[in-house]
Amino acid sequence: NAGVTQTPKFQVLKTGQSMTLQCAQDMNHNSMYWYRQDPGMGLRLIYYSASEGTTDKGEVPNGYNVSRLNKREFSLRLESAAPSQTSVYFCASKGQGETFGFFGSGTQLSVL
Amino acid sequence: GENVEQHPSTLSVQEGDSAVIKCTYSDSASNYFPWYKQELGKGPQLIIDIRSNVGEKKDQRIAVTLNKTAKHFSLHITETQPEDSAVYFCAAKIGGAGSQFYFGTGTSLTVIP
Repeated sequence: NAGVTQTPKFQVLKTGQSMTLQCAQDMNHNSMYWYRQDPGMGLRLIYYSASEGTTDKGEVPNGYNVSRLNKREFSLRLESAAPSQTSVYFCASKGQGETFGFFGSGTQLSVL
Repeated sequence: GENVEQHPSTLSVQEGDSAVIKCTYSDSASNYFPWYKQELGKGPQLIIDIRSNVGEKKDQRIAVTLNKTAKHFSLHITETQPEDSAVYFCAAKIGGAGSQFYFGTGTSLTVIP
């Protein structure tokens, strides 16, 4: 099925550990996004990539890095995880038109 | 950046009644306003959207209205059903294809059978 695939679905880290969240889309979309979702705060943009080869900071980029590996894949890295990064992370992609409707199923991350 | 406020944060309605969720935005340059439904354990799903050159859009039991002068837009669900229970998010976008989307804080809708 076409869509946005995120891995892993769940992850528990200790403070200071690193990890990479993977995201891939098979819809030939140019733009890809990483959001975090916290209770009562909606979705906040961490980083986005408007096209292959470009990345830009969103609202809450501190503590994260991203890589747009190719047109399909956009990864999010936590170099030294902190408890404040406990959240649900969503990857999304968008094609040329306005419609923004393709989200992955999320990664629930806990940092102890 | 844009600031999107969403109200109410929780909403309970009886099955068959209507539900209305309202959002306001701060930047008059915002030009695209999608609405999402998020069920437990899943990612947001686009349910309807509206562009700044349109005042109202309907899709079966769901409608969205936009008032550019007042900078607010609303989601209307009629004849609610238990399967409409979910968290609903509004969003706003400024600019062209690679622009950012700004989300509201969500409304938890419960439809009581």
